[in-house]
Amino acid sequence: GNSVTQMEGPVTLSEEAFLTINCTYTATGYPSLFWYVQYPGEGLQLLLKATKADDKGSNKGFEATYRKETTSFHLEKGSVQVSDSAVYFCALSDPNFGNEKLTFGTGTRLTIIP
Amino acid sequence: DTAVSQTPKYLVTQMGNDKSIKCEQNLGHDTMYWYKQDSKKFLKIMFSYNNKELIINETVPNRFSPKSPDKAHLNLHINSLELGDSAVYFCASSQAGMNTEAFFGQGTRLTVV
Repeated sequence: GNSVTQMEGPVTLSEEAFLTINCTYTATGYPSLFWYVQYPGEGLQLLLKATKADDKGSNKGFEATYRKETTSFHLEKGSVQVSDSAVYFCALSDPNFGNEKLTFGTGTRLTIIP
Repeated sequence: DTAVSQTPKYLVTQMGNDKSIKCEQNLGHDTMYWYKQDSKKFLKIMFSYNNKELIINETVPNRFSPKSPDKAHLNLHINSLELGDSAVYFCASSQAGMNTEAFFGQGTRLTVV
């Protein structure tokens, strides 16, 4: 079956540090890949997505590139802010079900200290 | 206007009780979902409905019964609540397809005591 493996948290960084959160996946076929973010007390929001190999998703200074050869979709940001503190989820959509069946990673809690 | 709204936000109840969580979306989406997030933040799909029809049921105990009276609503009824049902339950919606965004509600924190 499909699975998503994320870097274990929690991750604590100082403001303006460089961020990488690793994500690798296992899937049959060609899934779409997503990063969702969950701010405290809220539901998940889509941060960025990539739909095919070598696509780069980007939003709010975050980037992730769909690497089929390494089955990875690592999240990066060059300079994090305190407001980026949240839980980040990597996810994939099942090629057979589309968005009806998103498979999520376990989430990585990120805390940014001033 | 809230896109995906769930009620209640918090629910504390005793073992053995029956409870319902309501979900409504005003986005015109044709697909709605219920997800369960456990204490370790692990998020797993429970059900998915498309145009009021069940299309995914991920080995959820039959004490959980979703009901979709129309495309904009997907309610979750839970019978005979158990301690292990304590979690945060998220409703979500999207347009059917591979690459469309899923919109999530704020979650319902269920605590069974």
